[in-house]
Amino acid sequence: AQTVTQSQPEMSVQEAETVTLSCTYDTSENNYYLFWYKQPPSRQMILVIRQEAYKQQNATENRFSVNFQKAAKSFSLKISDSQLGDTAMYFCAFTQGAQKLVFGQGTRLTINP
Amino acid sequence: KAGVTQTPRYLIKTRGQQVTLSCSPISGHRSVSWYQQTPGQGLQFLFEYFSETQRNKGNFPGRFSGRQFSNSRSEMNVSTLELGDSALYLCASSAQAPSSGNTIYFGEGSWLTVV
Repeated sequence: AQTVTQSQPEMSVQEAETVTLSCTYDTSENNYYLFWYKQPPSRQMILVIRQEAYKQQNATENRFSVNFQKAAKSFSLKISDSQLGDTAMYFCAFTQGAQKLVFGQGTRLTINP
Repeated sequence: KAGVTQTPRYLIKTRGQQVTLSCSPISGHRSVSWYQQTPGQGLQFLFEYFSETQRNKGNFPGRFSGRQFSNSRSEMNVSTLELGDSALYLCASSAQAPSSGNTIYFGEGSWLTVV
C-alpha cells in the first residue's frame, strides 16, 4: 500500500524567511502524481503545487517550489519569502491518477510577524 | 466559475440517526470523491465516482455509502451514526477520467458532529 510521511508535525518561521517542508512516500509504481495542499483555518483544501512523476523538472508556482527526488521518494516543498497568509496546515498527497489521494499527516506551519 | 459546493456546512446528529451530505462539483467536472478528516486518523479516502459509477472505495464500513447523479452531483450517506463519525467530510472534483492525474479541487467541507 502507498504511504505518505511528513516528519515535521509543526514548523515556525519569521515572515520573509524561506522554509522547507519534508515529505517522503512509498510506492512500487513508476507513474504517479504528487501534490501539496494547504489548509488554512477555514479548512478549505487549496492546491499549492502539483508534480508528475515522469517529469524530472521540479514544479514551481511563484514563491512555491518543490524538490522532487524520485529515486529517494522524496517530495519537499520550499516556500520563499514567506508571508503571514502562508500560515496553515500543509498536506503532501500522492495518487496514481485516480482521485484516490493518499495524504500525509500534515505539517502545521506558522509564519510569525 | 463556482467551486465545489457542499451542503450543509454544519450539522449535529444523534447517535443512531442517519445523515446525507451533498456535493456539487465544479461545472464540467465528472469525477467526484469524498474524504473524511479527523484529528486522530487524518484525511482518509471514502469513495470516488465517475459518470455515476463508483470507481474506488476506501476502507470504511458499509454504513458509509454514496452515489452520483447524471448531472455529476454526488451525495454520501452515513447510517446508524456513531460518535466516531464526527468529522469534517470533504468533497473533491476533477475534470477528466480518474486515470488522468488531473488536478483535484476541494470544497469547504461539511462539519458533522454526532452527539
